[in-house]
Amino acid sequence: DQQVKQNSPSLSVQEGRISILNCDYTNSMFDYFLWYKKYPAEGPTFLISISSIKDKNEDGRFTVFLNKSAKHLSLHIVPSQPGDSAVYFCAATAWEDGNQFYFGTGTSLTVIP
Amino acid sequence: DTGVSQNPRHKITKRGQNVTFRCDPISEHNRLYWYRQTLGQGPEFLTYFQNEAQLEKSRLLSDRFSAERPKGSFSTLEIQRTEQGDSAMYLCASRTDRLETQYFGPGTRLLVL
Repeated sequence: DQQVKQNSPSLSVQEGRISILNCDYTNSMFDYFLWYKKYPAEGPTFLISISSIKDKNEDGRFTVFLNKSAKHLSLHIVPSQPGDSAVYFCAATAWEDGNQFYFGTGTSLTVIP
Repeated sequence: DTGVSQNPRHKITKRGQNVTFRCDPISEHNRLYWYRQTLGQGPEFLTYFQNEAQLEKSRLLSDRFSAERPKGSFSTLEIQRTEQGDSAMYLCASRTDRLETQYFGPGTRLLVL
C-alpha cells in the first residue's frame, strides 16, 4: 500500500526553466513532508521540508508547496541547473506515528544544458 | 566529518552467507533508522531505534534480519542466510528528537550471487 506516490518517473527540463516535481499522499494524518535528492550510488540528501501548518516553504531556488485538501505537494526548482539532475524523493510522516517515514518511488529529473 | 557513515559501501556475497553492515549516525542523534532501497523504488522502512531500544520493525524484516544498537551510538544490521532477493541498497538515517528531518548515510550496496 503506497501511501506516498510520485506518478512521474521522469522529467526533463531545459536549463534556466522551472522544474516542478509532484507528490501525492493518501494518509490524512501525515503532517510533515520532506524532499530528498539522490545521486547514483549515494544516499538521499535532505533538500527541503514543510510542516502541515504551512502551505509554502522556500529555500533559495527550492520551494515546496503543500495543498492539504488535495493531499498534494510539489517541489519547484527555479532556475533549474544541470547539477540538479538527480532522483527526487518525497517523504511523509505523522507526528503521532512518530517514527515511520514513507517515501515515494522517486522522479528522475534531467536538466538539459 | 559530522555526517552519517556506513560500512562497507559495497558487499558481494554468495547465497547462504551471513553479512553485517555498520552505521555510525551523526553524533547526538538518538534516533536511528534502517531502510532498504531497490531499483526504481523509494527507501522502505526496516527498523527504528531510539537510543539503544529497537522500537519498531517492519514486516519486511524477516527472521533472517537482526539489528542492534548496543550503546545507543552505532548500529549493525545482520542478514543471515542471504538470498538473492536481499540484493539492495541498505540505507541508514539518523535524527534528533527535536527535528523530524532524517539525514542519510551513503548506503551499503549488497549483491547476493
